[in-house]
Amino acid sequence: EVQLVQSGAEVKKPGESLKISCKGSGYSFTSYWIGWVRQMPGKGLEWMGIIYPGDSDTRYSPSFQGQVTISADKSISTAYLQWSSLKASDTAMYYCARSIAAADPYNWFDPWGQGTLVTVSS
Amino acid sequence: EIVLTQSPATLSLSPGERATLSCRASQSVSSYLAWYQQKPGQAPRLLIYDASNRATGIPARFSGSGSGTDFTLTISSLEPEDFAVYYCQQRSNWPLWTFGQGTKLEIK
Repeated sequence: EVQLVQSGAEVKKPGESLKISCKGSGYSFTSYWIGWVRQMPGKGLEWMGIIYPGDSDTRYSPSFQGQVTISADKSISTAYLQWSSLKASDTAMYYCARSIAAADPYNWFDPWGQGTLVTVSS
Repeated sequence: EIVLTQSPATLSLSPGERATLSCRASQSVSSYLAWYQQKPGQAPRLLIYDASNRATGIPARFSGSGSGTDFTLTISSLEPEDFAVYYCQQRSNWPLWTFGQGTKLEIK
């Protein structure tokens, strides 16, 4: 069974750094793109960026370019989303998801991880 | 950026009834449109992709149609577990993939 398991909820202060994770199992982790999606409280969904763990090719949505860093460690089948300096406006649920087609970045994404809630508050 | 407008915002129906959800794009997305279901406290789940293809394991009561700018998700006979929020998403032009604002399907 294909599964993405994300790291647990985080509570941080503004200005702190954070790295959350997404571990894939049940498939060849290096062969499928992983995407990250933000859902702010009570709001809709926004694509942040995608990464191909096979070679770490990473592509960002313009709204998130320079605001976050997406990476992957294929040796442990894990993708990451990180912030160097959090803001209160980063408070949201963050989901990772896997592309449904191997090696194709411009495709649909499913399944999704269970989500990681990030709360940034002073 | 392509804006997806979903209607209605809320749909109140009873189990057994037919549900019709709409998603309109501000410009053509060809058939690059998907529908997701999200239940409270859960991640979104892909239902329909490329406008009309059911994802793996999705019951046949879910169907999608449309192309260009107008799309429809139909649930032929609502089951209790179908009450959720539904989002459409387009992937016409990376990196500007967008989601609609969602339709909440609630029990009447």
